[in-house]
Amino acid sequence: GQNIDQPTEMTATEGAIVQINCTYQTSGFNGLFWYQQHAGEAPTFLSYNVLDGLEEKGRFSSFLSRSKGYSYLLLKELQMKDSASYLCACMDSNYQLIWGAGTKLIIKP
Amino acid sequence: DADVTQTPRNRITKTGKRIMLECSQTKGHDRMYWYRQDPGLGLRLIYYSFDVKDINKGEISDGYSVSRQAQAKFSLSLESAIPNQTALYFCATSDQGAHTGELFFGEGSRLTVL
Repeated sequence: GQNIDQPTEMTATEGAIVQINCTYQTSGFNGLFWYQQHAGEAPTFLSYNVLDGLEEKGRFSSFLSRSKGYSYLLLKELQMKDSASYLCACMDSNYQLIWGAGTKLIIKP
Repeated sequence: DADVTQTPRNRITKTGKRIMLECSQTKGHDRMYWYRQDPGLGLRLIYYSFDVKDINKGEISDGYSVSRQAQAKFSLSLESAIPNQTALYFCATSDQGAHTGELFFGEGSRLTVL
């Protein structure tokens, strides 16, 4: 079956760096997405990786290893507003998105 | 104004009632989706539509139906609501031409079935 695994919750300190991991098993692969979702709000797009390697976008970076079925989202210089859930999603061979349950990130002062 | 608008934002209803959730978008996207979100679970696809004449079942379509009235409008119906349909429902759109397949979500409709 198809599966996306990511930690349920993580805690980090303001100003620090945090890495949120995601592993996936899907029927085919057409890209991996990270979305941010603040409590009670809609998910918003953060990044898309389809090739191996690191994509950097400001304080956020996303990494993909297709051979390992693994991705991570790296958040630097954490700010209180980064407290949110981070959703990993993988696009399968039918171009359907398979979603992880999300990682709730708690930022402490 | 939001590009993807859902109504109602909150609804409490009783078992057996018919409920319609509406979604409209001003992004000009052809593709529209309905998802539900439950605590501890990933987003699950209910139905999706790639254009006005196209309707496709998603992972969990049982107990739901949809209507694509126009390019900009996609409504979700629960013919006879049951308590396990209590969830947060999201409408989303995407651009067929965008290689990333990025989704744009509405603000969500919280449905409680008593």
